[in-house]
Amino acid sequence: DAGVTQSPTHLIKTRGQQVTLRCSPKSGHDTVSWYQQALGQGPQFIFQYYEEEERQRGNFPDRFSGHQFPNYSSELNVNALLLGDSALYLCASSYRDRETYEQYFGPGTRLTVT
Amino acid sequence: AQSVTQLGSHVSVSEGALVLLRCNYSSSVPPYLFWYVQYPNQGLQLLLKYTSAATLVKGINGFEAEFKKSETSFHLTKPSAHMSDAAEYFCAVSEGRTSGTYKYIFGTGTRLKVLA
Repeated sequence: DAGVTQSPTHLIKTRGQQVTLRCSPKSGHDTVSWYQQALGQGPQFIFQYYEEEERQRGNFPDRFSGHQFPNYSSELNVNALLLGDSALYLCASSYRDRETYEQYFGPGTRLTVT
Repeated sequence: AQSVTQLGSHVSVSEGALVLLRCNYSSSVPPYLFWYVQYPNQGLQLLLKYTSAATLVKGINGFEAEFKKSETSFHLTKPSAHMSDAAEYFCAVSEGRTSGTYKYIFGTGTRLKVLA
């Protein structure tokens, strides 16, 4: 049973550019959440997708957007990249109807903005 | 609003010694609490979770945590540290379906160093 997968593993972009990160959830999961983890910090919630809609959003600007596909996979898009967007981006999947709402995390995508 | 405080950004223990990593939370509803471990250049792995059943929760790799409502704490312990336990540990709180808030709020993490 494959866990949560993310691509690419590493990415280097220049300020002002746009980036797309991808996530495939664990088999049987229908909800995808995205987190940003800056160096030396805990993960910060960006947003969550369920039934192809953004259901909840953290304190991130509109430059951060996402999408969920019918197969439950998801993309995170960041426009007009800033140096401060350099971080590890984590995708987490879960099954929404489960009371505990336990999330399973992928290995992350390391984004470096120069 | 939910919040998590992890006391001690760095903790060092000798191999074989007790591991104690502290986590205090704030939540307006009965919370769900989690401990995750992160090894260098990897994602987060779930160690254990509290979901309002038993207050003493046992997890993987010999770790356990006790939910203490009166102290709003969920400290992580392991009786005997192993070199392979060296990693970053994160405590997280979620209000789950109770309030419709599904996101996790993470603490800032505790880096555990195990000395030979």
